[in-house]
Amino acid sequence: NAGVTQTPKFQVLKTGQSMTLQCAQDMNHEYMSWYRQDPGMGLRLIHYSVGAGITDQGEVPNGYNVSRSTTEDFPLRLLSAAPSQTSVYFCASSYSGGAGYGYTFGSGTRLTVV
Amino acid sequence: KQEVTQIPAALSVPEGENLVLNCSFTDSAIYNLQWFRQDPGKGLTSLLLIQSSQREQTSGRLNASLDKSSGRSTLYIAASQPGDSATYLCAHRGGTALIFGKGTTLSVSS
Repeated sequence: NAGVTQTPKFQVLKTGQSMTLQCAQDMNHEYMSWYRQDPGMGLRLIHYSVGAGITDQGEVPNGYNVSRSTTEDFPLRLLSAAPSQTSVYFCASSYSGGAGYGYTFGSGTRLTVV
Repeated sequence: KQEVTQIPAALSVPEGENLVLNCSFTDSAIYNLQWFRQDPGKGLTSLLLIQSSQREQTSGRLNASLDKSSGRSTLYIAASQPGDSATYLCAHRGGTALIFGKGTTLSVSS
């Protein structure tokens, strides 16, 4: 099925551990982005990419790293997990050309840092 | 800083009622605006997308309008049903990514 696939769906980390949240899309979308969703804070942009090899920071980038080596994949790396990174993470993608294209979201990764 | 505000934060209505959810944004030069639905513990499902050149979009019982000059969008839900209970999020495309409001949580009682 075409769409945005996120893995894993759930993860528990210990403080200081590192991990990579995977995001893949099969729609040949140029734009990809990562959001975190926290109660009372809404969805906040972490990092985004406008194409392979191009990434930029969003509103809350500290503690996270991204790369975009292919059009399909946009992994999010937690370098040294902290309890403040406990959140639900969503990956999204969109075509770049034209205002008629909206964003498609993955089903999310629920991360707990203890 | 671009901001999106959704009012009310929560809304409870009886089944069958027509209702309006509000979304306001500070960036008048938006590219498009998208309404999403989110069920508890789930991801975001796109409901409607309005391009900056459009005034409204309709899908079934849902109608979304856009007024760029006043920085407002509304989502109209006709004949609400218990299955409409969810959180509704609006987001506008600020450059290459979406800027979200905090959502309106709707509860429809039977």
